[in-house]
Amino acid sequence: GEDVEQSLFLSVREGDSSVINCTYTDSSSTYLYWYKQEPGAGLQLLTYIFSNMDMKQDQRLTVLLNKKDKHLSLRIADTQTGDSAIYFCAVPGTYKYIFGTGTRLKVLA
Amino acid sequence: SQTIHQWPATLVQPVGSPLSLECTVEGTSNPNLYWYRQAAGRGLQLLFYSVGIGQISSEVPQNLSASRPQDRQFILSSKKLLLSDSGFYLCACMGLAGADTQYFGPGTRLTVL
Repeated sequence: GEDVEQSLFLSVREGDSSVINCTYTDSSSTYLYWYKQEPGAGLQLLTYIFSNMDMKQDQRLTVLLNKKDKHLSLRIADTQTGDSAIYFCAVPGTYKYIFGTGTRLKVLA
Repeated sequence: SQTIHQWPATLVQPVGSPLSLECTVEGTSNPNLYWYRQAAGRGLQLLFYSVGIGQISSEVPQNLSASRPQDRQFILSSKKLLLSDSGFYLCACMGLAGADTQYFGPGTRLTVL
């Protein structure tokens, strides 16, 4: 079945760029997603990329998609303390999503 | 846009007691609905999903059950809670016309003592 992998932890200094990576085994979905979860809260849709795109930029966020290597990444420019959270990539399957394990981003002041 | 409500927000229950968590959705019709559990510091585990009233698919065998008595209502239940049922329970909705994006509710924190 579908498998989605992420590294568990990432620590960066405030003002630096963060890059969160995700690999998946298979997707025929139109979109691939990034979600953000702050402590004690539900998941918030952060951004998504259409599967026929290589890159999407949305303010400080840049999503890169390499379909050949089945690799998705999320870059956060000028990382702020408010960006500290868990980030999940999600790959839709039939009726349901397959979520990665989540990457906990810690931003050091 | 759709809004997902979950209640209660937090719950502390003794082992062996029953459970009922409710999720309701506004702003969409005939959505796909999902229950996830997140253990402390862990990823998401899909428990149940429903593509219509009375239609429930179970992903993980356990002492939990789900029901969908109305189009926009999804209930998670247990007859007897276990310690291992503690966690953060999230309801999600998918089905806005023309999109397959999942949106999440605020979650219920369940502690079983």
